[in-house]
Amino acid sequence: QKEVEQNSGPLSVPEGAIASLNCTYSDRVSQSFFWYRQYSGKSPELIMSIYSNGDKEDGRFTAQLNKASQYVSLLIRDSQPSDSATYLCAVKRSNYQLIWGAGTKLIIKP
Amino acid sequence: KAGVTQTPRYLIKTRGQQVTLSCSPISGHRSVSWYQQTPGQGLQFLFEYFSETQRNKGNFPGRFSGRQFSNSRSEMNVSTLELGDSALYLCASSSAPGQGMESPLHFGNGTRLTVT
Repeated sequence: QKEVEQNSGPLSVPEGAIASLNCTYSDRVSQSFFWYRQYSGKSPELIMSIYSNGDKEDGRFTAQLNKASQYVSLLIRDSQPSDSATYLCAVKRSNYQLIWGAGTKLIIKP
Repeated sequence: KAGVTQTPRYLIKTRGQQVTLSCSPISGHRSVSWYQQTPGQGLQFLFEYFSETQRNKGNFPGRFSGRQFSNSRSEMNVSTLELGDSALYLCASSSAPGQGMESPLHFGNGTRLTVT
């Protein structure tokens, strides 16, 4: 079992709909969780970070964290074609090392 | 503010050779991490340096090594190259290595290494 698991996709979502991306992790003591977006041929860029249980909203993006169930999710509202990318979930271990999921490829269909 | 700069952008080497990749972090950032990215394995952590000290190391063989200089610039070296080393090597800098919450990684554009 991988430490950080994501569905590889591709996840296809119609433009304007909500895209829901999920990530589960195995290290119970992890405290910091990140979502990075990576466009094809580009480097990852941070879009959201979350540290406490519950929801954190930033514009069209909402990160949700449930430490008891060991999952973190990313919701993208009003999806746009420009949101088409691979979304990487990263979890920071207690030794500060970041562990990455393999990423979910999201396709927003116009 | 200039971003993370990696050189060279592309490299083609043959098996058995060695290669050195360079990374200049964002000004003021003292933490530099290196990652290998391949389509099958995703992002794999190589090592992290902070203030010239290696803080963390991933599960890569000893052929992969790195160092950080006093100006925070970092180099990564791979000796005795194998075909499987072909990948995108990404460098990322941050203001602090896991201290506090808001120290996100800023990635460079990567070095695409092809081993033939």
